[in-house]
Amino acid sequence: DSGVTQTPKHLITATGQRVTLRCSPRSGDLSVYWYQQSLDQGLQFLIHYYNGEERAKGNILERFSAQQFPDLHSELNLSSLELGDSALYFCASSARGGTEAFFGQGTRLTVV
Amino acid sequence: AQSVTQLDSQVPVFEEAPVELRCNYSSSVSVYLFWYVQYPNQGLQLLLKYLSGSTLVKGINGFEAEFNKSQTSFHLRKPSVHISDTAEYFCAVSEGTGYSTLTFGKGTMLLVSP
Repeated sequence: DSGVTQTPKHLITATGQRVTLRCSPRSGDLSVYWYQQSLDQGLQFLIHYYNGEERAKGNILERFSAQQFPDLHSELNLSSLELGDSALYFCASSARGGTEAFFGQGTRLTVV
Repeated sequence: AQSVTQLDSQVPVFEEAPVELRCNYSSSVSVYLFWYVQYPNQGLQLLLKYLSGSTLVKGINGFEAEFNKSQTSFHLRKPSVHISDTAEYFCAVSEGTGYSTLTFGKGTMLLVSP
């Protein structure tokens, strides 16, 4: 158990809909990272938050957004969903100055 | 920008045989290097990491990796694999800045058969 909790584990939704994925980092970790894992693109970095502030953006679509709340949990919002958004979405956390990211079990999103 | 190349998408091997999973990277800055393992329907688990110092790094489950700066490689090895090692293995790099934004390779599926 990495200590990173993601909910829900599975999500099935229709095209055009909006969903919210939730991540609780390890206790005390200030950094939260979101990654997308798909068959064609592999594992791709989406976005990084540190103590509530956005620090870095990767290959994140404009339809996607994220935030980190004062209690350090984070949410990834995906809107106007397309079939191609079906993927496994991982959250990871790390400590301040940490060199290692701890991953959650992921949320498997299926868009039908 | 960094990139990671895992040369083999699949490596079949018999139980108790040695295995090497290859990883090459490119970066214009100093990097940290990682190997993660993903078992079916699971998250990513860290096997080992190279930050600095000794180029031979030992990890969990009997795995080790060697950092070769001149060849920009970080190959993963195990002298004797088990059926339970069947999983996908990902090589990753991050800039040595203290933040852990990772760039991953495409992954290598290790298939261990009896």
